[in-house]
Amino acid sequence: DVKVTQSSRYLVKRTGEKVFLECVQDMDHENMFWYRQDPGLGLRLIYFSYDVKMKEKGDIPEGYSVSREKKERFSLILESASTNQTSMYLCASKGTSGRSTDTQYFGPGTRLTVL
Amino acid sequence: QQPVQSPQAVILREGEDAVINCSSSKALYSVHWYRQKHGEAPVFLMILLKGGEQKGHEKISASFNEKKQQSSLYLTASQLSYSGTYFCGTDLTGTASKLTFGTGTRLQVTL
Repeated sequence: DVKVTQSSRYLVKRTGEKVFLECVQDMDHENMFWYRQDPGLGLRLIYFSYDVKMKEKGDIPEGYSVSREKKERFSLILESASTNQTSMYLCASKGTSGRSTDTQYFGPGTRLTVL
Repeated sequence: QQPVQSPQAVILREGEDAVINCSSSKALYSVHWYRQKHGEAPVFLMILLKGGEQKGHEKISASFNEKKQQSSLYLTASQLSYSGTYFCGTDLTGTASKLTFGTGTRLQVTL
């Protein structure tokens, strides 16, 4: 079974702090994703990575950056946390067969509160 | 552009049926359905490919009408374990390199 783990289930930070959210997958997947989940808005893609050191912006990248130094690990960085970044953050990974049947596997999520 | 899911929420009694729709304004290669129980990660249910294929998972099935760019999820004889939020993820590229998810449909099954 694919396992995607996230470093924290709950996190409380103060406005202006630099925040790191870590995600690790154990299936040697090339693709990894960061989403935020807000009530009524569903899952929105922040950034994704299709290889080590490669990244692409998703639909809402503003205020975030990412780092992928190793294949199994994908980090989301909030350079200066703001209250509007309070949300649930979900990481996912996916293999690459190039087919439309590839699916994503999600981690349990990190609920971040910025005070 | 996010696909539109309807209804936003539905409450069922155990044993009743429900349909959840997912509509896109763009041409789709596939639709991926996920279910998320409260406090847990979304879990993959099934993929629908171009061609109007129908799939099934337990008593949950789905269809994909590529002309209408719409997929429907059918929950038959619902069980308490079906409660959760259902998301559709749409693939616009044919490689599922990136999915665009809908806003979700919250389903609650009661006794």
